Amino acid sequence: EPEVTQTPSHQVTQMGQEVILRCVPISNHLYFYWYRQILGQKVEFLVSFYNNEISEKSEIFDDQFSVERPDGSNFTLKIRSTKLEDSAMYFCASSEGYQPQHFGDGTRLSIL
Amino acid sequence: DQQVKQNSPSLSVQEGRISILNCDYTNSMFDYFLWYKKYPAEGPTFLISISSIKDKNEDGRFTVFLNKSAKHLSLHIVPSQPGDSAVYFCAARPTQGGSEKLVFGKGTKLTVNP
Repeated sequence: EPEVTQTPSHQVTQMGQEVILRCVPISNHLYFYWYRQILGQKVEFLVSFYNNEISEKSEIFDDQFSVERPDGSNFTLKIRSTKLEDSAMYFCASSEGYQPQHFGDGTRLSIL
Repeated sequence: DQQVKQNSPSLSVQEGRISILNCDYTNSMFDYFLWYKKYPAEGPTFLISISSIKDKNEDGRFTVFLNKSAKHLSLHIVPSQPGDSAVYFCAARPTQGGSEKLVFGKGTKLTVNP
């Protein structure tokens, strides 16, 4: 069964450094998403992306965050200057539109 | 943000019995609901969904019931199996207005004892 793949599975970064989280969505999906889950808290929506542009973003998704689909298969989340509070599991998801979103296994981001 | 609430952080049932997981929502714009299962070190896996035009949807051992007037949904697993032990998340979104954003509950950890 097709799946969403995320790399790396664990990323450790110094505070203030830039980090890029990578995702390969399911190949025929057109809608892409990033969510995060801080330890002990809910899964929270960050951003959705369709037709090469952001379609919706949450208040968490401020200027330090950006997303990109650099080619036909990858979807990336960049955090420009990481903060301690960015430590979380980051999940990428994709869907065919108004269909269930399918999630990857996540990247654990640890900011030191 | 308490738009989707799962008030039971954990549930323990015996193998072969029914598991009932509950979810409440407050946003009346929500009209599409999903259940996801999550194992440790994995992402949420889609289980079953229901649209507000229905009050029940069934897929094998999994049935979701929706009570719109009470803004309540439940997931029934019958019979429960040890492999069902996981965290179950309820999620919701509106289908009007173009938003794809899923709003999640905090999850219920289900343990099915052999």
